[in-house]
Order: sequence, then structure tokens, then C-alpha cells
Amino acid sequence: TQTVSQSDAHVTVFEGDSVELRCNYSYGGSIYLSWYIQHHGRGLQFLLKYYSGNPVVQGVNGFEAEFSKSDSSFHLRKASVHWSDSAVYFCAASRPGYQNFYFGKGTSLTVIP
Amino acid sequence: DPKIIQKPKYLVAVTGSEKILICEQYLGHNAMYWYRQSAKKPLEFMFSYSYQKLMDNQTASSRFQPQSSKKNHLDLQITALKPDDSATYFCASSQEGTGGARAEQFFGPGTRLTVL
Repeated sequence: TQTVSQSDAHVTVFEGDSVELRCNYSYGGSIYLSWYIQHHGRGLQFLLKYYSGNPVVQGVNGFEAEFSKSDSSFHLRKASVHWSDSAVYFCAASRPGYQNFYFGKGTSLTVIP
Repeated sequence: DPKIIQKPKYLVAVTGSEKILICEQYLGHNAMYWYRQSAKKPLEFMFSYSYQKLMDNQTASSRFQPQSSKKNHLDLQITALKPDDSATYFCASSQEGTGGARAEQFFGPGTRLTVL
């Protein structure tokens, strides 16, 4: 069974701060990882993904994430957050050949202006 | 223009009734999905369809039945509704290719279902 865990339910930072949102997964084989953002009352929007190659991937709006096989992690980072980054962030994983995606419980990011 | 349409946006139903949640995507994608999100559980994968064929079903109950009348439609029929079915149901789509890498999924705005 594959699981995705996001250890922080809530993160609060000030505008201009850097932030790291943590994601760990529990599957040892090839894995496809992605991050999505959900603003209040809306559907999820894709941020970035990783499957192979450079472990640091760049996404939209200045977000990046780094894959680490040794840590089974795919943490999301942003160097300088804006108040509009306030949202819930979901990490998701899928295995090659499988249709289903596993989502973490989400991390609610609040950016104080 | 919205690329993935979900209707209705809000839905209130009584226990035991049946409802159909509508999803249409205008992205030309070959795969469509249903997810459920509630206060009690994280975002749950329910179904995936590829070229109108069921590929994966992670829903334990047969009360949930996806219906694909057209390539860009994937409706969700829910019978014998229960209060525990109250959740927001998201439809999503993607353009899947061959190989292991998955395409990004585009999500609709959701249908918020309340069962009384």
C-alpha cells in the first residue's frame, strides 16, 4: 500500500518569508510525484511534478520541489511567499501503470501580509 | 471559459434518494477521474476512465456508478444516498501518454453534495 504523508497540517509565515511544505511517501519503486494547490472553495490546480531526471523541479509562481529517494520525500519550497499563496497544498503520488493517485491530507498555508 | 464543467455546484438530497453529478471536459483529454473530498477524509481517488473505459475503481460501494456517454463526459450516479456521502466531488481530466510519467490533472470546481 502506498501512502503520502504531509506532516504539517498548518503553516503560517509572513509575506516575503521562505517556506517549505513537507511531503513523504512510502513506496520504494518508481513513483510519480506532484503538488497541487487548492484555494478556498475551488478545485485543485497543478503546480509541478517529478518522475525522473533532475531531482529539483520548477513549477509555477516560483515554486520548486526536490525529490529525495533516500528520504522518500518531495518537499515543496518557495523563496519568498506572497499573501496570494495562502491556500491548501496537496502532495500526490502515483505508480507507473496504475491509474489511481494518492493524495496527502494537505497543508494549509497562511501568509500574513 | 471553464474547461471542466461540473453541474450542479451545490446539491442537497434526502437520505435514500438518487442523484447524478455531471462532468464535462473541453480539454480534449483522454482520461477522466472522480475524487471525493470531505472534512473527515483527505482527497480520495474514486474512479478513472480512459477512452470511456473504466480503468480503476477504488470505491468500495456499488452505490457509486460512473457513466460515460461521450468521450468528454463522465457523470457520477449515486444511489441510496447516505449522510456520510456528504462531500465535495471533484471531476478531473488528463491527457495520458505511454510510459510511466503521468500527465498533470486538471480539476473541475466541484459539486458540493449535502445529504440530509
